[in-house]
Amino acid sequence: KQEVTQIPAALSVPEGENLVLNCSFTDSAIYNLQWFRQDPGKGLTSLLLIQSSQREQTSGRLNASLDKSSGRSTLYIAASQPGDSATYLCAVRPMNYGGATNKLIFGTGTLLAVQP
Amino acid sequence: GAVVSQHPSRVICKSGTSVKIECRSLDFQATTMFWYRQFPKQSLMLMATSNEGSKATYEQGVEKDKFLINHASLTLSTLTVTSAHPEDSSFYICSATPARGRKTGELFFGEGSRLTVL
Repeated sequence: KQEVTQIPAALSVPEGENLVLNCSFTDSAIYNLQWFRQDPGKGLTSLLLIQSSQREQTSGRLNASLDKSSGRSTLYIAASQPGDSATYLCAVRPMNYGGATNKLIFGTGTLLAVQP
Repeated sequence: GAVVSQHPSRVICKSGTSVKIECRSLDFQATTMFWYRQFPKQSLMLMATSNEGSKATYEQGVEKDKFLINHASLTLSTLTVTSAHPEDSSFYICSATPARGRKTGELFFGEGSRLTVL
């Protein structure tokens, strides 16, 4: 059974710092991995999608890496800003799940607070 | 592009009543939509997969007679919580992936619907 874990559960940093969020998954048989941002009481905003054949994806100040063999992904945020404060969720699309193949298994999330 | 809209964003109802939540893909067609449930400070748990023109597929432990799902068109799925009880109070989020095009395989989420059952 695929399990996704995120460390740390919460993180507080001063504005301007670079930071790394970690995501690990137990089964390397995945189609892709997706990072999301969730603001309090809101839905999810897709940040980056990494296909299983890719090693990393970049969008602006965000860079996500994927090491499928070790079951790890990192989300790097450069020059953090107070507006980056949110919960960050990673999710994998497993191959061995049966039925529809677009199911996602979510991690527990990292609550990020960027202090001005 | 790839916008998913949910309605209502908040709903309060009395115990025993039924509540319908709509999920629409605004600028793409989605043959499959997903319904998730999120409890406070917890991650999202998949409830069911909504298939256009056919029956939904429910995850283990989810009561299909309580959570009715209808996916009558390529842009609309509805979740009806029947005979709601306080323990059904939660944040319900839908997601969809474009059936074709550059973003196929990437899931996009609605803004969520906060259900409070009194």
